[in-house]
Amino acid sequence: GENVEQHPSTLSVQEGDSAVIKCTYSDSASNYFPWYKQELGKRPQLIIDIRSNVGEKKDQRIAVTLNKTAKHFSLHITETQPEDSAVYFCAARLMDSSYKLIFGSGTRLLVRP
Amino acid sequence: GAVVSQHPSRVICKSGTSVKIECRSLDFQATTMFWYRQFPKQSLMLMATSNEGSKATYEQGVEKDKFLINHASLTLSTLTVTSAHPEDSSFYICSARFGQRYEQYFGPGTRLTVT
Repeated sequence: GENVEQHPSTLSVQEGDSAVIKCTYSDSASNYFPWYKQELGKRPQLIIDIRSNVGEKKDQRIAVTLNKTAKHFSLHITETQPEDSAVYFCAARLMDSSYKLIFGSGTRLLVRP
Repeated sequence: GAVVSQHPSRVICKSGTSVKIECRSLDFQATTMFWYRQFPKQSLMLMATSNEGSKATYEQGVEKDKFLINHASLTLSTLTVTSAHPEDSSFYICSARFGQRYEQYFGPGTRLTVT
């Protein structure tokens, strides 16, 4: 079955710096890769996603890149702000008819003012 | 658009009792609903997948007789934790999707504490 590994588990950056979180997946047939931001005690919020027919997607300060050959995808946050501090999860869609998502273990991002 | 609600947001119950959690899609008809459990500082673990009018599909290791899922309509799914024990204390989150879309929209979660 699909397995998603996420690194690093914690990341501390200075405000204004960039942050990069990386995930690898096991099922080469996976075709949908969302990223979620979760603040303490709150619901996961979709911040960006990418499909396998696209190599990169950008939305203001957030971008996601996908390398299908290497089976990994990354989240890039530029000009980080303290409000970016949260836990970020990557996920990959399981390639069956269920539309299930398999989540990575999460990255706790701390942006120091 | 694509709003999912959950009720209650917090619940405290005594060991041995049952608790029901509701998940509603407010502005769309959900093709599929998912139930997750999240322990502190851990990732979301899928418990089951639910389609309207059919039996839920449980993930390996999830006791279907303990976690009863009912998906009676296209906008409502319920999770009942039966004979709850302290180890069932967790953050339970539902999500929903519709049509051919891959995106899942999450509810705000329910914090269950079993004393």
